[in-house]
Amino acid sequence: DGGITQSPKYLFRKEGQNVTLSCEQNLNHDAMYWYRQDPGQGLRLIYYSQIVNDFQKGDIAEGYSVSREKKESFPLTVTSAQKNPTAFYLCASSTTGGGPEAFFGQGTRLTVV
Amino acid sequence: RKEVEQDPGPFNVPEGATVAFNCTYSNSASQSFFWYRQDCRKEPKLLMSVYSSGNEDGRFTAQLNRASQYISLLIRDSKLSDSATYLCVVNTSPGTYKYIFGTGTRLKVLA
Repeated sequence: DGGITQSPKYLFRKEGQNVTLSCEQNLNHDAMYWYRQDPGQGLRLIYYSQIVNDFQKGDIAEGYSVSREKKESFPLTVTSAQKNPTAFYLCASSTTGGGPEAFFGQGTRLTVV
Repeated sequence: RKEVEQDPGPFNVPEGATVAFNCTYSNSASQSFFWYRQDCRKEPKLLMSVYSSGNEDGRFTAQLNRASQYISLLIRDSKLSDSATYLCVVNTSPGTYKYIFGTGTRLKVLA
């Protein structure tokens, strides 16, 4: 079955540590996205990538980094520079922009302890 | 002004009621519009795309008003299972891949 897989589902991190969230899709989508959602709030765009080896900052990129070495994969690293990393992180993908909808993974819930 | 704005609710309605949500967007060049549904602690899932001519899917009707820059979602004969948060999504920059989400409108359908 085609889809987007995020792992892990739950992640605990100590303050000061970097952590990488995985996102893999087998939908053959060109574009991939990372969003952050805080309780009672909407989704905010962290980074997005239109093609392999290219990515753009979203609205809240500070403290995060990404790579897009393969079409199927778009991992997100939450660095120690991110001051408030506890949130629900959602990865999405889509075909061409401006038309088809985005499909989401099941999310990773990150908690800093 | 936010790029995409929604009334956060909650909208508490009895079963069988008709309820409507609006969502306004600021970029007049926006071309793609969607409604997503998000259940508690789950990922958003596409409910329906919004076409210029309006579209209907069962009990759900979506409308686009370009002159006033808003989209709407109408739910008829509300079911308990319709209880969720409804997210308005707009592609605000045609030619890019950026989808901007509203904060969502929370709906509670009461027995």
